[in-house]
Amino acid sequence: DVKVTQSSRYLVKRTGEKVFLECVQDMDHENMFWYRQDPGLGLRLIYFSYDVKMKEKGDIPEGYSVSREKKERFSLILESASTNQTSMYLCASSLWPVRGRGLPYSNQPQHFGDGTRLSIL
Amino acid sequence: GIQVEQSPPDLILQEGANSTLRCNFSDSVNNLQWFHQNPWGQLINLFYIPSGTKQNGRLSATTVATERYSLLYISSSQTTDSGVYFCAVEERNTPLVFGKGTRLSVIA
Repeated sequence: DVKVTQSSRYLVKRTGEKVFLECVQDMDHENMFWYRQDPGLGLRLIYFSYDVKMKEKGDIPEGYSVSREKKERFSLILESASTNQTSMYLCASSLWPVRGRGLPYSNQPQHFGDGTRLSIL
Repeated sequence: GIQVEQSPPDLILQEGANSTLRCNFSDSVNNLQWFHQNPWGQLINLFYIPSGTKQNGRLSATTVATERYSLLYISSSQTTDSGVYFCAVEERNTPLVFGKGTRLSVIA
């Protein structure tokens, strides 16, 4: 079974702090994703990565950055946390590159971690 | 971009009842997934179903790609089925786009 592990289930931080959310997957997946989920807004994509050191902006990247130094790990960084970043954060991974690199496109499902409920006070 | 609409937004069922959840999407897709988010926030894969029909126990799903919709059937519902059901679609070489979900409450 695919295992996507997020480092914390609950996290409380203060306004202005630099916050790191970590995600690790154990299935050698190419793609990794960070979403946030808010009531009434559903899941929105923040950033994704289709390879080590590669990243692409999703729908709401403002106020966030990401790091992918190793294939299995994808970090979400809140450079200076603000109260409007209080949310549920979900990490996901999938097998094939979203951006084709001469490889045949192959439909593969995304697998999610358990989520991190982040509160910024 | 592609639009995903789920209906109904909310559903209350008596334990043992059957239900059908619908997902409409606005363009051709390469991937469609159904997820269940439990009350603890965990998002569980139910089906990966870009086309055709699949069954898993009391749950089954059908996607008619040419008509741009998918249906999730829940039979003999149980209280543990409560939560939010999401449909998500993926066009070629783009990330998943999620619907707003259907919130299901199953009461004993």
